[in-house]
Amino acid sequence: SQQGEEDPQALSIQEGENATMNCSYKTSINNLQWYRQNSGRGLVHLILIRSNEREKHSGRLRVTLDTSKKSSSLLITASRAADTASYFCLPMEYGNKLVFGAGTILRVKS
Amino acid sequence: DSGVTQTPKHLITATGQRVTLRCSPRSGDLSVYWYQQSLDQGLQFLIQYYNGEERAKGNILERFSAQQFPDLHSELNLSSLELGDSALYFCASSVQGQGYNEQFFGPGTRLTVL
Repeated sequence: SQQGEEDPQALSIQEGENATMNCSYKTSINNLQWYRQNSGRGLVHLILIRSNEREKHSGRLRVTLDTSKKSSSLLITASRAADTASYFCLPMEYGNKLVFGAGTILRVKS
Repeated sequence: DSGVTQTPKHLITATGQRVTLRCSPRSGDLSVYWYQQSLDQGLQFLIQYYNGEERAKGNILERFSAQQFPDLHSELNLSSLELGDSALYFCASSVQGQGYNEQFFGPGTRLTVL
C-alpha cells in the first residue's frame, strides 16, 4: 500500500506568511492529492496533481511534484487564520489501498 | 458542504452493542468509502464500494461490515462494540471506482462506546 509521509509534523506561522509542507512516498503513482481537515470535520479535497505534471496552482495554493525524488510540496501563500488545519497528502496508484499519513498540523497565528 | 451526508452525527452506546452508520453519497457518485479516525490510529481506510459491489478493503475488522444499496447509499455496521471502537467515522464518495479520483468527505459520525 502507498502512504505519504508529511513533513513537518507541525508548523506554526504568523498570518500573512507562507506555509510549506512536504510529502514523500515510496513507489510510482498515478496522481497525488492534498486534503485539508479542520478539527473534527471531514477532509476537504484541495488539489490533485497527476504524475505527468510538475506544478499546479489553485488560488493561494501551489503544489509541486517531483517523481524522480518521489516527493511533493504544498505551498500556501499569504496564510490566514482560517488556514489552521491538518493537511494530508495521498499518493495514489490504481488498485492500492487508500492510506493517509499522519498529516501536517498547521497553525496560523493572527 | 460536500454533498455527502452522514447520519447520525453523534452516537453513544455501550460495549457489546451493535450500531449502523448511514451515508448518502453526492448525486452521481458511484463509489463510497468508509474511514475510521481515532487519536491513536489516525485516519484508517476501512472499505470501498462501487455501484453496489465491494471494490477495496482496508483495515476493517471482522466485527464490522458494510454494504451499498441500489440507490447508492451505504451503511456501515459495527457489532460487538469495544471501547477502542470509539472514533470518528467518515464516509466519502467519488465519481468512479478507481481509487485515484478525488474524494468528497461527509461530516462524520462520532461514535462513543462506554
